Amino acid sequence: AQSVSQHNHHVILSEAASLELGCNYSYGGTVNLFWYVQYPGQHLQLLLKYFSGDPLVKGIKGFEAEFIKSKFSFNLRKPSVQWSDTAEYFCAVNFRGTNFGNEKLTFGTGTRLTIIP
Amino acid sequence: GAVVSQHPSRVICKSGTSVKIECRSLDFQATTMFWYRQFPKQSLMLMATSNEGSKATYEQGVEKDKFLINHASLTLSTLTVTSAHPEDSSFYICSARGDGELFFGEGSRLTVL
Repeated sequence: AQSVSQHNHHVILSEAASLELGCNYSYGGTVNLFWYVQYPGQHLQLLLKYFSGDPLVKGIKGFEAEFIKSKFSFNLRKPSVQWSDTAEYFCAVNFRGTNFGNEKLTFGTGTRLTIIP
Repeated sequence: GAVVSQHPSRVICKSGTSVKIECRSLDFQATTMFWYRQFPKQSLMLMATSNEGSKATYEQGVEKDKFLINHASLTLSTLTVTSAHPEDSSFYICSARGDGELFFGEGSRLTVL
């Protein structure tokens, strides 16, 4: 069955450090890829998404992600994190062409990011 | 951006009672809404797809008679947890598609005593 994996459960970084959060999925077909962020006490918000085209996508707040099809990966990156980036980050995948349908998302288990001032 | 609102944000109920959670799209119409459940330190699990004017589509393993979904209008979907038990305690989140992307409600935390 199709699945989404986030291997980093909790990441702790100091301010100004570089960030990379891993996301892998298992499916050989076409996918749409998303990263969502959930700040403490707030809604899930979309950081960025990939549908097609340039595999390097830029999102809000200085985040970017690269889709590497051969590795089934969509890792999230930020060159210099801030204390305000402390949040839970979720990778999500829409598996196109399956009975999942066009709008259903499968989420990874999330990565808790803690930034130390 | 589009706004999705859930009510109530927190609810505590006794075992055996039913609880209704509302999900509203405040500034757009949504023919389809989604209901997720989030366990502590775990991911969001899709429970069902709510379709305006028709029956909801439930994911495998989700009891449709226990989690009743009604999508009566283009801006409102409701999830009713019937005969709630402590194991139904969880964080329930709805989402709706607007402006080409999914927007999420703030979630509803259900605690069943």
